Amino acid sequence: AQTVTQSQPEMSVQEAETVTLSCTYDTSESDYYLFWYKQPPSRQMILVIRQEAYKQQNATENRFSVNFQKAAKSFSLKISDSQLGDAAMYFCAYRSVYGGSQGNLIFGKGTKLSVKP
Amino acid sequence: ETGVTQTPRHLVMGMTNKKSLKCEQHLGHNAMYWYKQSAKKPLELMFVYNFKEQTENNSVPSRFSPECPNSSHLFLHLHTLQPEDSALYLCASSLEDSVGGELFFGEGSRLTVL
Repeated sequence: AQTVTQSQPEMSVQEAETVTLSCTYDTSESDYYLFWYKQPPSRQMILVIRQEAYKQQNATENRFSVNFQKAAKSFSLKISDSQLGDAAMYFCAYRSVYGGSQGNLIFGKGTKLSVKP
Repeated sequence: ETGVTQTPRHLVMGMTNKKSLKCEQHLGHNAMYWYKQSAKKPLELMFVYNFKEQTENNSVPSRFSPECPNSSHLFLHLHTLQPEDSALYLCASSLEDSVGGELFFGEGSRLTVL
């Protein structure tokens, strides 16, 4: 069975600085999707970025980028020029392309990011 | 502004009560989901509906009963719950059950069972 591990329960970053959140996963599959979701306090969870395993190029969305290392099964999220609004819980998630429901995302336990002014 | 609305946002109930959580999406999606979010645990998928038909039930106790009358509405009926059922219950929707698609979440219903 697939697992997702986020080894950093909490992280802190100074405003305007860069922070990297770690995520590792375990799978025997060759094709899958990886996601980072953001959950601000008392707000809905939203998708930050998505990576398809068959694509070698790392996904980028404005200040958010990933470092996808398929062989190492690592999928870290880099937030550049951190802003106060980036403070949230960040969840790494995995989804197999083989059968099952789209909702069958396998989530990590999350990393709580604090941004200091 | 979220396209997925959950009510109530907070609910306190006794173990013998019967209550319901409601989820409504205005995104034209066909798939809807219930997740349970407990502190320091990964999100747990509970139920999945595709085009109003339940396609997943992840070994959820029968004291949780979902209902999906149409593609826009999803309910979670609660009865004789236990204190360990206290958690944040998240509803989500997506455009069909396609691979790699994005889930859109509601803000959640915070449930406390006394």
